[in-house]
Amino acid sequence: KQEVTQIPAALSVPEGENLVLNCSFTDSAIYNLQWFRQDPGKGLTSLLLIQSSQREQTSGRLNASLDKSSGRSTLYIAASQPGDSATYLCAVTRRTGGGNKLTFGTGTQLKVEL
Amino acid sequence: NAGVTQTPKFQVLKTGQSMTLQCAQDMNHNSMYWYRQDPGMGLRLIYYSASEGTTDKGEVPNGYNVSRLNKREFSLRLESAAPSQTSVYFCASSDSQGAVVIGELFFGEGSRLTVL
Repeated sequence: KQEVTQIPAALSVPEGENLVLNCSFTDSAIYNLQWFRQDPGKGLTSLLLIQSSQREQTSGRLNASLDKSSGRSTLYIAASQPGDSATYLCAVTRRTGGGNKLTFGTGTQLKVEL
Repeated sequence: NAGVTQTPKFQVLKTGQSMTLQCAQDMNHNSMYWYRQDPGMGLRLIYYSASEGTTDKGEVPNGYNVSRLNKREFSLRLESAAPSQTSVYFCASSDSQGAVVIGELFFGEGSRLTVL
């Protein structure tokens, strides 16, 4: 069974700091990995999608990396802003046994302070 | 662009009542999903539909039924609501090839259900 872990559960940083969020998964036979952002009381918004053949994806100040062999992904946020405050979740799609079933981590709650 | 639209946004039910959550997407996606989100439990898949006319159980299907009415619409029904079904429900959609999700997952805004 695929398990996805995100540590830390909560993180508070001053504005302007570069930061890294971590995502670990137990089964490396994945099809892709996605990072999402969730604001309070809202749905999830997809930030980056990394296919299993890729090592990283970039969008603006966000960069996500994928290391399947070690079962890890990181989301790098450059020059953090108060508007980045949200919960960040990662999810993996397993390659076998039902590719439609994503497994989500429980998220890292980020607060960027002025 | 509407994306994924869910209704209702809020609902309060009494134990034993029934209701249907509606979901529609306008992105021509093959696959649609229903998740529930509970504190400390993360997102859990209830049911999914890989294509029009097909539905499959997810991780927590008990107490729920679904209908893939057409390519756009995927509804979730609670036949006899229980307090354990108090949760936030999210509908999502994505591109897929057969059983494999190949694109980003797009979510609705959520439906907050309380069962008394």
